[in-house]
Amino acid sequence: AQKVTQAQTEISVVEKEDVTLDCVYETRDTTYYLFWYKQPPSGELVFLIRRNSFDEQNEISGRYSWNFQKSTSSFNFTITASQVVDSAVYFCALSLYSGGGADGLTFGKGTHLIIQP
Amino acid sequence: EAQVTQNPRYLITVTGKKLTVTCSQNMNHEYMSWYRQDPGLGLRQIYYSMNVEVTDKGDVPEGYKVSRKEKRNFPLILESPSPNQTSLYFCASSRRGSGNTIYFGEGSWLTVV
Repeated sequence: AQKVTQAQTEISVVEKEDVTLDCVYETRDTTYYLFWYKQPPSGELVFLIRRNSFDEQNEISGRYSWNFQKSTSSFNFTITASQVVDSAVYFCALSLYSGGGADGLTFGKGTHLIIQP
Repeated sequence: EAQVTQNPRYLITVTGKKLTVTCSQNMNHEYMSWYRQDPGLGLRQIYYSMNVEVTDKGDVPEGYKVSRKEKRNFPLILESPSPNQTSLYFCASSRRGSGNTIYFGEGSWLTVV
């Protein structure tokens, strides 16, 4: 069975600081998908990124970047120049099928990110 | 607009009173799932369905039932709710196959007293 570990339960930084959220996963399959979701205080899940196991290229989207390293089974998420609006719970998740069907998504326990003004 | 719609969004109920949380998607997706979210535990899959009349247990199915009589609907049934089922529930859907987006509903906050 697969497993996702987000060792950081809560992180608090001051606005404009850079912050990295760690995600370590375990799976025996060679084909899998990794996700990051954001959950703001309003509760909905906001999709941020999907990455398949064959694509180890790092991804940058504005202030967000993701570092996928199969060698260490990690898929870390960095926010550059953090803003108060980034305050949320962030979940890393793993699926053997991107459709989330047969095995669904295995979520980490989440990291609560607090950005202080 | 692609949507997964859950109802009710908020509910306070009493122990033992049967309730159903509805989930409907308008994207003709084959896959649908229910998750519950609890503090410190993240989200865990309750049940999933790969198509009409095909359902299976996820990681935490105890105390829940589901049905998939129509492709668009996947209701979650709590036959006799208990306080430990107080949680935030999410329904999700996606198209069968790889490389597809998973769509989540907005969540249903359920409190059992």
